[in-house]
Amino acid sequence: EADIYQTPRYLVIGTGKKITLECSQTMGHDKMYWYQQDPGMELHLIHYSYGVNSTEKGDLSSESTVSRIRTEHFPLTLESARPSHTSQYLCASSESRQSQETQYFGPGTRLLVL
Amino acid sequence: DQQVKQNSPSLSVQEGRISILNCDYTNSMFDYFLWYKKYPAEGPTFLISISSIKDKNEDGRFTVFLNKSAKHLSLHIVPSQPGDSAVYFCAASSPSRARFGAGTRLTVKP
Repeated sequence: EADIYQTPRYLVIGTGKKITLECSQTMGHDKMYWYQQDPGMELHLIHYSYGVNSTEKGDLSSESTVSRIRTEHFPLTLESARPSHTSQYLCASSESRQSQETQYFGPGTRLLVL
Repeated sequence: DQQVKQNSPSLSVQEGRISILNCDYTNSMFDYFLWYKKYPAEGPTFLISISSIKDKNEDGRFTVFLNKSAKHLSLHIVPSQPGDSAVYFCAASSPSRARFGAGTRLTVKP
């Protein structure tokens, strides 16, 4: 069973606020990801990491930033939230970067920016 | 650019019948294809996968078919059960990253 956690599960916040979405995994996976998904749309990769101190931007441009100081922790930060950031954010991890490696997803954070 | 497409946003089938979910991709560099299943308020979970060197992979009630020439794959669920009701995501993977479709919501009616 996969152990990957995201907090908060739901967040309603005003424009201009700084927010951090937490993601932790206890599987010791090197690779971690952040996806953004709007209803009825595909999952868009916004950030990924191959390991500690390694972070890369994904396919979808995002104003968010990430950090990877510890293997198990991959937080995502929005310095100034805007209504356009309203979406679902899914964190995932995988053991390696091989094509066949399945990703384990957290339950997601639903963000609403007013 | 949407490299993985699931053109049917929803599908409804009767319990016991076959469910067929379809997925098309555009990039021939993908070498692995995966299906994930997502229940409400949960993250997607891995269901079944297939390598690009194969054309079929079966796991119990779930079978994935790959047609490389058509850049098309499908997931067959036989027989369908009410517990299969979920959103199914198709993913195409290369060593650099995976790309996901928009999902198909399957409803299996008792």
